[in-house]
Amino acid sequence: NAGVMQNPRHLVRRRGQEARLRCSPVKGHSHVYWYRQLPEEGLKFMVYLQKENIIDESGMPKERFSAEFPKEGPSILRIQQVVRGDSAAYFCASSPPLGGKTQYFGPGTRLLVL
Amino acid sequence: AQSVSQHNHHVILSEAASLELGCNYSYGGTVNLFWYVQYPGQHLQLLLKYFSGDPLVKGIKGFEAEFIKSKFSFNLRKPSVQWSDTAEYFCAVVASGGSGNTGKLIFGQGTTLQVKP
Repeated sequence: NAGVMQNPRHLVRRRGQEARLRCSPVKGHSHVYWYRQLPEEGLKFMVYLQKENIIDESGMPKERFSAEFPKEGPSILRIQQVVRGDSAAYFCASSPPLGGKTQYFGPGTRLLVL
Repeated sequence: AQSVSQHNHHVILSEAASLELGCNYSYGGTVNLFWYVQYPGQHLQLLLKYFSGDPLVKGIKGFEAEFIKSKFSFNLRKPSVQWSDTAEYFCAVVASGGSGNTGKLIFGQGTTLQVKP
């Protein structure tokens, strides 16, 4: 009974490097959401994807951030030229197709930018 | 815009005390409501959810929540807390229905519960 899987669990990057965060949804789930949790704050929505489509990216920063969910393989959240303010926990959630309403969360990736 | 407010940021209780965590949301339409819990070092787990029907919902580990539509509230309760309930609790809302709703969760800022043994 594999839940949402994320890797790596911890990621350390220096300013200016790229960060790639991976999310494998629950088997059979075709909807993926990415959320960011900054220190001392709640989770903030970033992007919602279905297979090969970005449905809602209203929470994504305009620059340096991108996301994809290819036909095969995990969803990827990519942060280019990281800055210290990108340090946060990034959570992925998945939900089933056909309007499934409950989102199941992965363990998160904790990104630290030095 | 939708928003969720959790009034208590940090709550400290002794074991066996009763718990109530406040959650209010701002949205004019129909919503689905959730409480998630995040134990130290772990990921978010679903405690309970409300979609429709009986406004008093029961979740795992003895938690329950009551949806009061007129007050836009969805408070979390537990009659007697245990040390193992120490965690962070998040209330979340998603707009239900409508062509523009994409299912994104709007979270409150979280409440840290510390239960003293």
